[in-house]
Amino acid sequence: AQTVTQSQPEMSVQEAETVTLSCTYDTSESDYYLFWYKQPPSRQMILVIRQEAYKQQNATENRFSVNFQKAAKSFSLKISDSQLGDAAMYFCAYRSNTGNQFYFGTGTSLTVIP
Amino acid sequence: GAVVSQHPSRVICKSGTSVKIECRSLDFQATTMFWYRQFPKQSLMLMATSNEGSKATYEQGVEKDKFLINHASLTLSTLTVTSAHPEDSSFYICSAREPGTGATGNTIYFGEGSWLTVV
Repeated sequence: AQTVTQSQPEMSVQEAETVTLSCTYDTSESDYYLFWYKQPPSRQMILVIRQEAYKQQNATENRFSVNFQKAAKSFSLKISDSQLGDAAMYFCAYRSNTGNQFYFGTGTSLTVIP
Repeated sequence: GAVVSQHPSRVICKSGTSVKIECRSLDFQATTMFWYRQFPKQSLMLMATSNEGSKATYEQGVEKDKFLINHASLTLSTLTVTSAHPEDSSFYICSAREPGTGATGNTIYFGEGSWLTVV
């Protein structure tokens, strides 16, 4: 099975600063999808950003962007101009183009310091 | 993005009783839904994959007879915890896969989650 590793259990960032959350994954496939989900204190999982593996261009969504390094199997999330509302647990996820299952990392708890 | 609604958000039941949690896709038809369990400060643990009109596929270690999953329509999947015990107390989350191809069809959206407390 594929594995997703988030090596940073906790991170903190000063409000308005930039923070990068790391994620690596293990796969032998060439076609797959990667996601970052945010889980705030309300516990609902919210899609932040997604990336198709066949696309070389890094995905961006407003203040959120990724650094996708396919050869290195790395998929980090950069949050620019951090806001208090960004405080949450962030999960990296992998999905193969075949099969149904999503594989989640263990999460990174992000604290935003006012 | 697509909207998934889960109900109830919180439920307390007595030990030995059954409780049902509903998961609805509000603005799309979901042929596949997923049920997860999340322990405090941990990641999501996939319990089962629910396919409309067919039996759910359970992950290893998940008791099929205890966690009954029914996906009777393209917009509704239910999880019934039967003969609940205090150790079943947890946060349960459903998700649904949006139809389509490419990134759209390979993205899942989550419900709000349900806190189950068995007393």
